[in-house]
Parts: sequence; C-alpha cells; structure tokens
Amino acid sequence: AQSVTQLGSHVSVSEGALVLLRCNYSSSVPPYLFWYVQYPNQGLQLLLKYTSAATLVKGINGFEAEFKKSETSFHLTKPSAHMSDAAEYFCAVSGMNTGNQFYFGTGTSLTVIP
Amino acid sequence: ETGVTQTPRHLVMGMTNKKSLKCEQHLGHNAMYWYKQSAKKPLELMFVYSLEERVENNSVPSRFSPECPNSSHLFLHLHTLQPEDSALYLCASSLRRGAYEQYFGPGTRLTVT
Repeated sequence: AQSVTQLGSHVSVSEGALVLLRCNYSSSVPPYLFWYVQYPNQGLQLLLKYTSAATLVKGINGFEAEFKKSETSFHLTKPSAHMSDAAEYFCAVSGMNTGNQFYFGTGTSLTVIP
Repeated sequence: ETGVTQTPRHLVMGMTNKKSLKCEQHLGHNAMYWYKQSAKKPLELMFVYSLEERVENNSVPSRFSPECPNSSHLFLHLHTLQPEDSALYLCASSLRRGAYEQYFGPGTRLTVT
C-alpha cells in the first residue's frame, strides 16, 4: 500500500535560516509526489510536484524538493526562511500503486522565529 | 472568479438543521473532491466525482449527501449533524481523477452546536 510519512509535526526555524521539511514515501514503483502549503483559514495551495522528470523540482516562493529514490524521500527545502513562510505543509503521493488516489501526510507546522 | 471557490466560508448550524455547502471550479476540470479537515487529524477524503459520476464514497455517514449537477459544481448537503462533524470542509478539483495535482478551494469552516 502507498503511504507518505512526514517526520516532525512541528518545525521551528529562525528567519533567514534553512528550512527542511521531511517526507518519505513507501512504494515499489516511483510515485508522483507533491508538496502543498496551507495558511491559516485557507485551503491547500500547490507548492511543487514531481512527476518522474527532473529529480530536483523547483516550486513557488523559493521552495524546492529533491526526489531521492534510494532514500524514498522527497524533502522540501528553502535556503532562507521568511516570516511569511509560517504555515502548515503537506506532502502527498499518488500514482499507480495508490490506484491513482491521493494520500496526504499528516502535515508539518512551520514556525519562523524573528 | 478564478480557481476553486466555496460558499459559505463559515457556517454555524444546529444538529437538527439542514444546510448545503457549495463548490465551484473555474478550471475546466473533470474531477471534484470533498475533504474533511479536523484539528489534529489527517485530511480525510470523503467523496470523489469524475465526469459528474460519484466514483468514491469513503464510508461517510449518510448525514452527508453529495451532489454534482455538472462538472463545475459540487454540493455537500448536510442534515442532522453531530458536534464531531465540526471541521473545515475542503473542495478540490483536478483535470482528471488520478495522479493529477488537485487544486483546493478556501474551505468552509463548519461548527455544529
């Protein structure tokens, strides 16, 4: 069965520091992978997606993620955190092994400390 | 209007009321979804419609009744809800059902008293 695990339900970083949010998937077949962001009282917004093209994917707001098959990971990074990055981040997986259904991780809440 | 819109944004209802949530997508997509987001819980997929046909119903209680009159509109009819149904209800759409990325509306914050 397909699943996605986000390590760390809460992450705090200082403004200007590196942001690293972790996501691991379980699949014998490379899946499609997504990162979404949710600001308070809003819906989920697509940050970036991996669909078996380049392993390093660049998204909006300066975020990027790297697909590492050997580690079954798709971690989200940003070189320098801004206060406006404070939000909930969700990793999601889809593909043949899921019957093409989306599975979302439990989310990671990012706090940016001034 | 662009993207996915949802109305109302906030709703307070008693357990004996009947209300409906509305979702509209302006993206030309063929699949639409209802999710429930409760505090401290993962996103729960409730219903999936593809080309106006319900293709998934994930063990959702019958007090939730979806309706998809066309590929642009999706409704969630609510009746005799329980306090534990209080949550953020999110609508999403995608080009087709499957691995395609989903686009979300802003959600309806529902409180059942």
